[in-house]
Amino acid sequence: EAGVTQSPTHLIKTRGQQATLRCSPISGHTSVYWYQQALGLGLQFLLWYDEGEERNRGNFPPRFSGRQFPNYSSELNVNALELEDSALYLCASSSLGATDTQYFGPGTRLTVL
Amino acid sequence: AQSVTQLGSHVSVSEGALVLLRCNYSSSVPPYLFWYVQYPNQGLQLLLKYTSAATLVKGINGFEAEFKKSETSFHLTKPSAHMSDAAEYFCAVSAPFAGGTSYGKLTFGQGTILTVHP
Repeated sequence: EAGVTQSPTHLIKTRGQQATLRCSPISGHTSVYWYQQALGLGLQFLLWYDEGEERNRGNFPPRFSGRQFPNYSSELNVNALELEDSALYLCASSSLGATDTQYFGPGTRLTVL
Repeated sequence: AQSVTQLGSHVSVSEGALVLLRCNYSSSVPPYLFWYVQYPNQGLQLLLKYTSAATLVKGINGFEAEFKKSETSFHLTKPSAHMSDAAEYFCAVSAPFAGGTSYGKLTFGQGTILTVHP
């Protein structure tokens, strides 16, 4: 069974640009979560999507947004990139929403120059 | 509200020695607790989880953890360290029945980097 996949592996952008990160959950999973792992800040919860709806959101500005598609894959969009957005962005999926284990993908390394 | 504290950002052990990584949590509702491991340039891999069943939880690669409600702890142990155990370990808490801002999310500790010496 394939795990959570994320693309691209690496992404380099300049300040002010927009970044789009993609995530495909494990087959049969309907929930997708996004986390940011920034140097010195640890792992921070960004967003949770379930059945196409945003269920919860972490303490991040509105320029961080996303969506979930009918096939349960997800996109994370970061607008007006700032240098401090440089981080590893991890996607996770689960099959039963909040009560189920989250399984993580390998991440997308975003570098903002 | 939830929080996790991992005592010791770096732990160093000799190969064959006991591994003990400490985790204390705070949660306003009965928590689910997890340990994940992260190897360099990779995502997180689940080691084990506690979901209010047995308090001693066995995971992969010989790791286990014990939930102690009175101490609000969930320490990770392994009797004998291997070189391949060198990685960063994260303790996490969720409150799946909490609702509100804690609903559905994992709250992570700051991580403990485990070094194993030959």
